[in-house]
Amino acid sequence: EAQVTQNPRYLITVTGKKLTVTCSQNMNHEYMSWYRQDPGLGLRQIYYSMNVEVTDKGDVPEGYKVSRKEKRNFPLILESPSPNQTSLYFCASSATGTENNSPLHFGNGTRLTVT
Amino acid sequence: GEDVEQSLFLSVREGDSSVINCTYTDSSSTYLYWYKQEPGAGLQLLTYIFSNMDMKQDQRLTVLLNKKDKHLSLRIADTQTGDSAIYFCADLDTGRRALTFGSGTRLQVQP
Repeated sequence: EAQVTQNPRYLITVTGKKLTVTCSQNMNHEYMSWYRQDPGLGLRQIYYSMNVEVTDKGDVPEGYKVSRKEKRNFPLILESPSPNQTSLYFCASSATGTENNSPLHFGNGTRLTVT
Repeated sequence: GEDVEQSLFLSVREGDSSVINCTYTDSSSTYLYWYKQEPGAGLQLLTYIFSNMDMKQDQRLTVLLNKKDKHLSLRIADTQTGDSAIYFCADLDTGRRALTFGSGTRLQVQP
């Protein structure tokens, strides 16, 4: 089954304790992206990756890092989490190309709480 | 920057039609999307429309695009309780393959 898998689904942590949220897709997609969802703000892009070893900042990259060492995985790293990073995070992927429509496939989300 | 706006809440009775509206500012949008989010789940693509189209129909879903007014709507015919969810419209920044999302419209379907 084609899917985007995020782990964990729920995470509660304390300020400053490094954490990683994993994301994996089995569709051989070249493009992957991370979004955060906050009430009243919709989804905002954190980072994206057009291909292996190619990553770029989205609209709200501060406090986050990503890596794309292999095609299927795109982990989101919070080196020193802060309470304002409490949010619902979504990973998404799509096939390459911007000329033709290739919809984003979303994972089921990771709810992060930073105390 | 780009902006996508939606009303926050819509309540309809089962069997009625629902119309969810969205406005956007990016005049170079190529694709516009409607996503559905059920509680505890990720976003599910419902439908999309290419910017050179005015209308797209897919079973109970009808998308209308007024490019001049930058207005997008999603009509759900014969709305069912299972349609209760948050609906997001989004437009595509083709350069970075990023979607700009509206804040979502919560659709409540009353039995």
